[in-house]
Amino acid sequence: GENVEQHPSTLSVQEGDSAVIKCTYSDSASNYFPWYKQELGKRPQLIIDIRSNVGEKKDQRIAVTLNKTAKHFSLHITETQPEDSAVYFCAAVPDDKIIFGKGTRLHILP
Amino acid sequence: DAEITQSPRHKITETGRQVTLACHQTWNHNNMFWYRQDLGHGLRLIHYSYGVQDTNKGEVSDGYSVSRSNTEDLPLTLESAASSQTSVYFCATSRGWPEKLFFGSGTQLSVL
Repeated sequence: GENVEQHPSTLSVQEGDSAVIKCTYSDSASNYFPWYKQELGKRPQLIIDIRSNVGEKKDQRIAVTLNKTAKHFSLHITETQPEDSAVYFCAAVPDDKIIFGKGTRLHILP
Repeated sequence: DAEITQSPRHKITETGRQVTLACHQTWNHNNMFWYRQDLGHGLRLIHYSYGVQDTNKGEVSDGYSVSRSNTEDLPLTLESAASSQTSVYFCATSRGWPEKLFFGSGTQLSVL
């Protein structure tokens, strides 16, 4: 079955700097790659997603890139702000279910 | 507003007891999912359903069961609770597939 690896598990960046979280997947049939953000004590919420027919997608300060050949995709957050502090989960969808990575805890340092 | 509701928010039970966690949605979404969240493991899929009378096993289904008798509800049952099932449980729905998941607020379950 699909296996999603996510790195790093913890990331600290200075406010205003950029943050990058990377994921790899194993199943070449995966065709949908969402990213979820979970603030402390809250439910996960979708922040951006990308489908396999697209290489890059942007939404204001966040962007996701997908390399199907290498089977990896990344989340980029620019001009980080305190409200970006959260746990971020990548995921891959090979068939009828979503498989999540183990998460990255992002700390924004003042 | 349409929403997804989980109950209870917190539950403490003893090993060996049967426990049922409720998930109710008013979006009329066909797809419903149960995940458990544990430190170091992220979100792991327990069971899922794509419509009434349809249920499927996920990554960590042992010790859990679900049934789907209507569109709105997907209760999760722990037949005989074990300490290893102490976790935060999230229910989620999606309108189509593959599409955005809408998560409930979660149930914190402690098995003592």
